[in-house]
Amino acid sequence: DIQMTQSPSSLSASVGDRVTITCRAGQSINTYLNWYQQKPGKVPKLLIYAASSVRSGVPSRFSGSGSGTDFTLTISSLQPEDFATYYCHQSYDTPWTFGQGTKVEIK
Amino acid sequence: EVQLVESGGGLVQPGGSLRLCCAASGFTFRDHYMEWVRQAPGKGLEWVGRIKSEALSYTAEYAASVKGRFIISRDDSRNSLYLQMNSLKTEDTAVYYCARDLMALAGTAFDYWGQGILVTVSS
Repeated sequence: DIQMTQSPSSLSASVGDRVTITCRAGQSINTYLNWYQQKPGKVPKLLIYAASSVRSGVPSRFSGSGSGTDFTLTISSLQPEDFATYYCHQSYDTPWTFGQGTKVEIK
Repeated sequence: EVQLVESGGGLVQPGGSLRLCCAASGFTFRDHYMEWVRQAPGKGLEWVGRIKSEALSYTAEYAASVKGRFIISRDDSRNSLYLQMNSLKTEDTAVYYCARDLMALAGTAFDYWGQGILVTVSS
């Protein structure tokens, strides 16, 4: 199985901050990497697919980059509605695997 | 509007069985691979398995943790996805989500999710 490791596990940030979350794969996964946002008690929501493709309707402050084993999700200017947990997900090979999540909290 | 609605969850004793259903609407169900993902209370996301389309012979794949106990099936005439869960263990307690596979050229992503349904395995 391909292990996915996110860092940090949690972070505190203020509205307007630039936030970067990192995801590292245990082996090269090309660009088969997706990012999801999950708010407490809510359903996960796809933000980014194929490492850098922003899903339609997702605010432009969200961006993704990377290839191979190292990936980043960047929120350029954190908004109140962005406080949530973010998960990376590899779709290079089954079993699909997720990172452990990064919780973004209000500072 | 794409909608996925799960049903069939609840409380079951260890060793018991349960069948989840996911009713799909708003898209051409038969064209999409479909997935099951679960989330134990307070934990992260875990992929359970998926089923491909008729074009790929409805092939199903499973996580090691459920292989041999869970069976994924679909009925394209009813726009429905199923998860038959047998020999349930306490560690199967989770919210179960069905999800649609985006099936982009650049790989799998889960672009629509059901609201989730709670399965509790306890005596």
